[in-house]
Amino acid sequence: DVKVTQSSRYLVKRTGEKVFLECVQDMDHENMFWYRQDPGLGLRLIYFSYDVKMKEKGDIPEGYSVSREKKERFSLILESASTNQTSMYLCASTPSRGRPMNTEAFFGQGTRLTVV
Amino acid sequence: TQLLEQSPQFLSIQEGENLTVYCNSSSVFSSLQWYRQEPGEGPVLLVTVVTGGEVKKLKRLTFQFGDARKDSSLHITAAQPGDTGLYLCAGAQGGGADGLTFGKGTHLIIQP
Repeated sequence: DVKVTQSSRYLVKRTGEKVFLECVQDMDHENMFWYRQDPGLGLRLIYFSYDVKMKEKGDIPEGYSVSREKKERFSLILESASTNQTSMYLCASTPSRGRPMNTEAFFGQGTRLTVV
Repeated sequence: TQLLEQSPQFLSIQEGENLTVYCNSSSVFSSLQWYRQEPGEGPVLLVTVVTGGEVKKLKRLTFQFGDARKDSSLHITAAQPGDTGLYLCAGAQGGGADGLTFGKGTHLIIQP
């Protein structure tokens, strides 16, 4: 069974802390994404990566950075956590470019981050 | 950023009723997907539609892609409590490596 695994289901961090959210996929997918999901705002794209060591900004990259050192792993980093980054974070992956059907995204179970 | 508008935002109906959820945009998408998300979990793909006018059926769920590939609908027949969840539509442009554009979702509650 294909899988996207996020390292934590729940996290509580203090303001100013550096936070790492890890995501691993076992499907050999080229593309990986980080979204945040907030009530009334839906899913918003933070960063994505279409290859190892490559990264692209999404719609709301401010306050975040990412790392993709290996194909299967995509990390989201909150350099200095703030309360407005309290949210549900979702990692997703899709196969390589080319066919429309390859846009199907597989999501992790989500990490609910609370910054206090 | 391309926008996808979903309606209604919330829907609560009785078991056995039919319902339709809409997903509309002014942009053309190469494909459109519907996901279902349960509380505390990530979204799970239900269907992908690619061709304008395409209709796909998944048991009691019927998905339609508009002729112009700008809109889609999800129709559920004889809704059951197990259909309860957040339904998300998502549009892709190109090969998908640039990420999907998601609607804000429809919160569906089916009461027994």
